[in-house]
Amino acid sequence: KAGVTQTPRYLIKTRGQQVTLSCSPISGHRSVSWYQQTPGQGLQFLFEYFSETQRNKGNFPGRFSGRQFSNSRSEMNVSTLELGDSALYLCASSLEDRGGDTQYFGPGTRLTVL
Amino acid sequence: GENVEQHPSTLSVQEGDSAVIKCTYSDSASNYFPWYKQELGKGPQLIIDIRSNVGEKKDQRIAVTLNKTAKHFSLHITETQPEDSAVYFCAANGSTLTFGKGTMLLVSP
Repeated sequence: KAGVTQTPRYLIKTRGQQVTLSCSPISGHRSVSWYQQTPGQGLQFLFEYFSETQRNKGNFPGRFSGRQFSNSRSEMNVSTLELGDSALYLCASSLEDRGGDTQYFGPGTRLTVL
Repeated sequence: GENVEQHPSTLSVQEGDSAVIKCTYSDSASNYFPWYKQELGKGPQLIIDIRSNVGEKKDQRIAVTLNKTAKHFSLHITETQPEDSAVYFCAANGSTLTFGKGTMLLVSP
């Protein structure tokens, strides 16, 4: 099976712009979670989607949003970019949304905000 | 919510030595504890996990132990090799998966 794929792998944006990141989960996986990884804060949970519904949300401002499509692919959007949004954005998929399901990560999208 | 503390932040060992990374968690409802290895430029990769009904689990050179009473779990790597050099993350699954800050393991030949 193909792993989790994320596009694009690298992005450079300027402050105030918006960005959309895409994630394709492992075939058959219905849950997709997004994380922000920075050197100072580590891996922080953004949100989780299951069957096109947001099931959990982390402590991030409303500028961060996401959605999931009927084929389980997911996108996340960040509007009005700030310098502090520079990070590696990771997507992970799992079979279901039960606590304890193994999450498999993609390679991430490296976002740089100038 | 869940809080996961991970120590040490960096660990340097000689090839062939053992390495131990320790984590504590706060939410007694957490019942799933995975460990991930992240190499430069890659996403985290699951290396081993343990559930709350098990005290220890081994997979070749890697083992994980869990003490639910004390709310801590540890990763043990024996006979370390240079390719084990990476950042290791522990995590605990309460309502969502919460990660420790990571341990950079450096294995010198």
